[in-house]
Amino acid sequence: QKEVEQDPGPLSVPEGAIVSLNCTYSNSAFQYFMWYRQYSRKGPELLMYTYSSGNKEDGRFTAQVDKSSKYISLFIRDSQPSDSATYLCAMSPVGGNEKLTFGTGTRLTIIP
Amino acid sequence: GAGVSQSPRYKVAKRGQDVALRCDPISGHVSLFWYQQALGQGPEFLTYFQNEAQLDKSGLPSDRFFAERPEGSVSTLKIQRTQQEDSAVYLCASSLGEWASGRTDTQYFGPGTRLTVL
Repeated sequence: QKEVEQDPGPLSVPEGAIVSLNCTYSNSAFQYFMWYRQYSRKGPELLMYTYSSGNKEDGRFTAQVDKSSKYISLFIRDSQPSDSATYLCAMSPVGGNEKLTFGTGTRLTIIP
Repeated sequence: GAGVSQSPRYKVAKRGQDVALRCDPISGHVSLFWYQQALGQGPEFLTYFQNEAQLDKSGLPSDRFFAERPEGSVSTLKIQRTQQEDSAVYLCASSLGEWASGRTDTQYFGPGTRLTVL
């Protein structure tokens, strides 16, 4: 069993819909939780990070962490076709200065 | 400023050949990471440098994989006697390396080198 599980999709939703992406994990040492977006044939780019449990909002994006359930989520409001990409969750015990453990990624398509 | 760059972007090798993949991190970044991303999978950690010191190589899949960063900037990932299972995208990431401030740091990724072994 992998340390981080993520539904690979693919997920297709109409433009303007709310998108929910999720990951579960098994390693209790994980304290930093990140969401990366990866466009085709590009490297991952950081969208959001959260330390420990709680919510964080940035524009149309909201990240949630529930450490008691070992479950993290990313919500995208008012989805746009430009949001079409693969979304990767990533985690580490101490943040970006240590190796990141990634989920498999969820491929998202926003239909105009 | 310039981001992380990697070269070549694409590499085709015959099975058994040696390959060398280059990473130019963001100037001034102390930490450098290599990841391997198989098709349809998330990146998997290979190795980590702090300046020129290789602090973690636990993710290297075999002794055919070797990485170096001799002057603490550019890094090279070398794969000897390539096998078909080595076909993947190899991603390099760098970060400032801020530990004392207590805030988390960000890993910036390059575009990757897509290696195909025939």
